[in-house]
Amino acid sequence: AQSVTQLGSHVSVSEGALVLLRCNYSSSVPPYLFWYVQYPNQGLQLLLKYTSAATLVKGINGFEAEFKKSETSFHLTKPSAHMSDAAEYFCAVNSGGYQKVTFGTGTKLQVIP
Amino acid sequence: NAGVTQTPKFRVLKTGQSMTLLCAQDMNHEYMYWYRQDPGMGLRLIHYSVGEGTTAKGEVPDGYNVSRLKKQNFLLGLESAAPSQTSVYFCASRARQGNNSPLHFGNGTRLTVT
Repeated sequence: AQSVTQLGSHVSVSEGALVLLRCNYSSSVPPYLFWYVQYPNQGLQLLLKYTSAATLVKGINGFEAEFKKSETSFHLTKPSAHMSDAAEYFCAVNSGGYQKVTFGTGTKLQVIP
Repeated sequence: NAGVTQTPKFRVLKTGQSMTLLCAQDMNHEYMYWYRQDPGMGLRLIHYSVGEGTTAKGEVPDGYNVSRLKKQNFLLGLESAAPSQTSVYFCASRARQGNNSPLHFGNGTRLTVT
């Protein structure tokens, strides 16, 4: 079985501050992990994905995530928040199979000017 | 390149009415999915398809039916709508190769059942 837990349904940061969105996963096999972003009234877009080639993964718009097997975590970070980063972020895990993509419940990021 | 296109964008139904949501993708993807998104619950898989002519149940299939007569299209049907089906519905597609191929999403259909 696989699952994803996102800590904090809402996160607020000041413009220019560090963004940290937390994701912990549970998987019986080495997982493939993803972060997606959803802007208002739009579908989800891929931000980045972990595929075991490197533990630190860089994505679009300055975001990156680090896979830590010992902590079963895949937290998303960005050094300096921008107003345009305000959106909802979803962590997802795929432990195998075409149907087995499990999403977390999402974290809404608010950026305060 | 349009990607994944969903129609309609919005719809209001009365309890008991039926409707079909259409999803079309132009990326030649084998796998297609229907999700529903509800506040605080993330995305939940309704039905999926691994190829033309094949469909399977996901996590929350009750009250929905699907068909994939053509590779590029995946239809979601509600035979008798209920207020509990008020939600935002997303279609997604994915290439077959590898478990790390990402999902490509449409922009969603916002459905309200009164």
